Amino acid sequence: GQQLNQSPQSMFIQEGEDVSMNCTSSSIFNTWLWYKQDPGEGPVLLIALYKAGELTSNGRLTAQFGITRKDSFLNISASIPSDVGIYFCAGQLPSNTGKLIFGQGTTLQVKP
Amino acid sequence: DTEVTQTPKHLVMGMTNKKSLKCEQHMGHRAMYWYKQKAKKPPELMFVYSYEKLSINESVPSRFSPECPNSSLLNLHLHALQPEDSALYLCASSQTGTGNEKLFFGSGTQLSVL
Repeated sequence: GQQLNQSPQSMFIQEGEDVSMNCTSSSIFNTWLWYKQDPGEGPVLLIALYKAGELTSNGRLTAQFGITRKDSFLNISASIPSDVGIYFCAGQLPSNTGKLIFGQGTTLQVKP
Repeated sequence: DTEVTQTPKHLVMGMTNKKSLKCEQHMGHRAMYWYKQKAKKPPELMFVYSYEKLSINESVPSRFSPECPNSSLLNLHLHALQPEDSALYLCASSQTGTGNEKLFFGSGTQLSVL
């Protein structure tokens, strides 16, 4: 089936540093969603992207929908300890269903 | 309010037990989903209900039986599960289930099968 390649797999950074992660696919997506998940909890929606080239911010988070519609990135500026968690990208294919294809996740650790 | 409520939070069951997971949303969404998630892996889709009808079954074993009594409620009935079915079970909802929309997840039920 379709797969999303998410990188990096994990990051260990110093508090205050900026973070960047991305997802790529061989398939075209109509929608990109970025989620953060804490241990034992469900994924929390951070940013939703609907149009190629779209750049959207949510506080210190910025995400972009790639021009080719096959990729997306998420940036976190000035990281803080509560940014720790697993970040997932997810894409929706142009198939008129709500089915999401998830990336494998990026585990972020922040050192105070 | 973007809340999806799941109960119970934790569940331990034997392989001969019958149990049910419950999910509720009051956002007026007409699509609801069940996902299964193993530790450190992404969620895997199990079922999708759109307008109270089952629209996607991802070849899930029959020991998992979904039910959508109305557009706000979603159940997952469990029977004769195996230890490898132990996982975090997530419920989600979206506006219509026809794509190009946000999915909101509940906090999940952590299931252990002994």
